[in-house]
Amino acid sequence: GAVVSQHPSWVICKSGTSVKIECRSLDFQATTMFWYRQFPKQSLMLMATSNEGSKATYEQGVEKDKFLINHASLTLSTLTVTSAHPEDSSFYICSARVTGTTNGEQFFGPGTRLTVL
Amino acid sequence: DAKTTQPPSMDCAEGRAANLPCNHSTISGNEYVYWYRQIHSQGPQYIIHGLKNNETNEMASLIITEDRKSSTLILPHATLRDTAVYYCIVRVAGSGNTPLVFGKGTRLSVIA
Repeated sequence: GAVVSQHPSWVICKSGTSVKIECRSLDFQATTMFWYRQFPKQSLMLMATSNEGSKATYEQGVEKDKFLINHASLTLSTLTVTSAHPEDSSFYICSARVTGTTNGEQFFGPGTRLTVL
Repeated sequence: DAKTTQPPSMDCAEGRAANLPCNHSTISGNEYVYWYRQIHSQGPQYIIHGLKNNETNEMASLIITEDRKSSTLILPHATLRDTAVYYCIVRVAGSGNTPLVFGKGTRLSVIA
């Protein structure tokens, strides 16, 4: 089956620093990837849609200048949390759809747990 | 907003069938029913999806009512490793460029 990886799996950083999270489709190409955020005991909340070669589309309430998304290739999207603060501590999950499929199935990465001190 | 309603939690004895219900009374004719699950601290995992016919794969069975307003995910022989949050999602087939919208799901606890 299609595999999506994320790196790092967890990260601890100081307040005010920036953190980059990578999302890779390992055995398929993905023109579209999605970034979600999940706080403890809550459901996944969509942050943005990442499109290869174009600007990301952000959900209402998500600051595009704080959460920078780059989708430079068909297998890699990155999410950079700039000037991170403790309230940004969360579980970040990406997903990808296999390009060319019609069933809408999406594959999810294992998630990245960010802790901002 | 999620277009489905699920019970917040359920328990199931190990080895027994787990039947997880989902209401989607406003489902459109071109919308499929998808099921995903999320084991603690992991990314969601695809389970199964269907339009109107019942579906079965190696993980589960999906039973969709004739009016398509509700469905049931069946794990035939639940194990402890099936403890997870199960999400029922409706979306248009072929809409891969639109994201999955997650509701609150059902927290299934499989008990030994």
